[in-house]
Amino acid sequence: EAQVTQNPRYLITVTGKKLTVTCSQNMNHEYMSWYRQDPGLGLRQIYYSMNVEVTDKGDVPEGYKVSRKEKRNFPLILESPSPNQTSLYFCASSLRFNTGELFFGEGSRLTVL
Amino acid sequence: GESVGLHLPTLSVQEGDNSIINCAYSNSASDYFIWYKQESGKGPQFIIDIRSNMDKRQGQRVTVLLNKTVKHLSLQIAATQPGDSAVYFCAESSNFGNEKLTFGTGTRLTIIP
Repeated sequence: EAQVTQNPRYLITVTGKKLTVTCSQNMNHEYMSWYRQDPGLGLRQIYYSMNVEVTDKGDVPEGYKVSRKEKRNFPLILESPSPNQTSLYFCASSLRFNTGELFFGEGSRLTVL
Repeated sequence: GESVGLHLPTLSVQEGDNSIINCAYSNSASDYFIWYKQESGKGPQFIIDIRSNMDKRQGQRVTVLLNKTVKHLSLQIAATQPGDSAVYFCAESSNFGNEKLTFGTGTRLTIIP
């Protein structure tokens, strides 16, 4: 089944404790992206990747890191989480950057205390 | 700054009726528009897209209309069903692709049985 898989789905952590949210797609997609979703603000792009070893900042990259060592994986790293990073995170992928259909994961709800 | 927004945050429609969800955008350089549906507890799901060289595109029970003169986008859903209840987002980009998508805040559509 074609899918984007995120882990963990739910996480409660404390300020400053490094964490990684993994994202994996099985569709051989070139493009992958991370978004955060907050009430009243909609989806905002954190980072995106056009292909392996090619990443770039989105609209709200501060406090986050990403890597794209393999085509299928695009982990989101929070080196020192803070409470303002409490949010619902979505990973998405598409065949190429210029095709419309983004496939989203089920989301990862992160709470930073 | 540029923004993508929706006229109404909530919309209730009788089952079987048609629904229209509106979206305004302010970036005159926007050339690609997408509608997504997000059901409770799930990631957004692609519905339909339209490029700026078109003013109408139809899918299965859905039609997207684009009025570039007034920078307005709408999603029409015909013969609504209970499964259409969800939050609907419009998104826009100015490079014909997913690279830098800007999402609206969403409209919650409720289908009344």
